[in-house]
Amino acid sequence: EVQLVETGGGLIQPGGSLRLSCAASGFAVRSNYMTWVRQAPGRGLECVSVLYSGGGSYYADSVKGRFTISRDNSQNTVFLQMNSLRADDTAVYYCARESSLFRGDAFDLWGQGTTVTVSS
Amino acid sequence: DIQMTQSPSSLSASVGDRVTITCRASQNIGNYLNWYQQKPGKAPKLLVYAASILHSGVPSRFSAGGSGTDFTLTISSLQPEDFATYFCQQSYGARTFGQGTKVEIK
Repeated sequence: EVQLVETGGGLIQPGGSLRLSCAASGFAVRSNYMTWVRQAPGRGLECVSVLYSGGGSYYADSVKGRFTISRDNSQNTVFLQMNSLRADDTAVYYCARESSLFRGDAFDLWGQGTTVTVSS
Repeated sequence: DIQMTQSPSSLSASVGDRVTITCRASQNIGNYLNWYQQKPGKAPKLLVYAASILHSGVPSRFSAGGSGTDFTLTISSLQPEDFATYFCQQSYGARTFGQGTKVEIK
């Protein structure tokens, strides 16, 4: 079955660190663009980081310098290392695969999400 | 970044109604526009890509169109399972989403 499963969320104090994992099955993460998308409570969707198949990466300004995206091809897993966490990082974090579909790129596969709560 | 603005932010409709949601981009994005449906507590699901192409398995009561800066998503006859929040998203530049349109039961 083709799926993504996120783990690693939890309650963390401001300034702390967490590492999220996104385990893929049914396809190879190394061959796809993999994105972390977050959704703060009652809010919209924000792309925070992308790992390109070639190894390059993108970070939203809101997380640049604090978050790091990486992958382990042997585990077929993508990670998001989150440091210096702030209250406004509180959100559900989704892992998503972006596919090149006929005439367009889109997020065609999503994980179930993992909740990160930053609070003292 | 490209800003995406949806309207309305929410709407109330009845089963069987025709519903149209609008999405406007802050610059020309061609046809690089996708639509997603999200139900409470669930991840978004891809409905439409490349502005007008229905993703596999999406019912034909959904249709979408537009190009450049103005796009629409239409549900021709609203069904109970369609009550959800809908997001547009551009794939022209760094990916950004609209703020969402919540479709509620009247």
